[in-house]
Amino acid sequence: QSALTQPASVSGSPGQSITISCTGTSDDVGDYNYVSWYQQHPDKAPKLMIYDVSNRPSGVSIRFSGSKSGNTASLTISGLQAEDEADYYCSSYASGTTLWVFGGGTKLTV
Amino acid sequence: QVQLQESGPGLMKPSQTLSLSCTVSGGSVSRTGYYWSWIRQHPGKGLEWIGYISYSGNTYYNPSLKSRLTISMDTSKNQFSLKLTSVTASDTAVYCCAIRMTAKYYFDDWGRGTLVTVSS
Repeated sequence: QSALTQPASVSGSPGQSITISCTGTSDDVGDYNYVSWYQQHPDKAPKLMIYDVSNRPSGVSIRFSGSKSGNTASLTISGLQAEDEADYYCSSYASGTTLWVFGGGTKLTV
Repeated sequence: QVQLQESGPGLMKPSQTLSLSCTVSGGSVSRTGYYWSWIRQHPGKGLEWIGYISYSGNTYYNPSLKSRLTISMDTSKNQFSLKLTSVTASDTAVYCCAIRMTAKYYFDDWGRGTLVTVSS
């Protein structure tokens, strides 16, 4: 069982918006603004999409946005495109000894 | 942009020692501010952070693996490595290497990962 809880799958049609949730605890998501999101296509390396809750790395589409409320972070993808179909993982820095925790991943179908 | 490439044995038997390497291109493993991590993904499950080694050789391990784990660095090969002793079927996973920068709490670049299967 993963430390952070994500829905196993979400789906949307091209042009629509979807949101993927990531629920942790007050020891990780709730305590730090260090949530990041990664996109992984089959047989490809994970790619950083969002860092520090809501920041986009250079080169990542503005269609990707992140937010956080309490112990739950969210990734929103607007204007869905076929190329967005992938697995998405959230991660958070955590207090204690494990340092980083991840979600179980969400498969996005477009 | 740093590129990372994992290499490993593929198939192992229980009780053996897993050795993996991550070859770095586009940057030096000893460059100030770089932290080199291992992360694994069990089949059909989420990701698990394993541990890291810093540019200066300091290490930090996930407590759940600490007793079996060693992460080291070879600057002459521009690689860092993982050794995990006494493997069991529960160590079957895709093992990825990733980079993080000082004072950053996310992983900028990742390798594609290498599948390690532990089976008798």
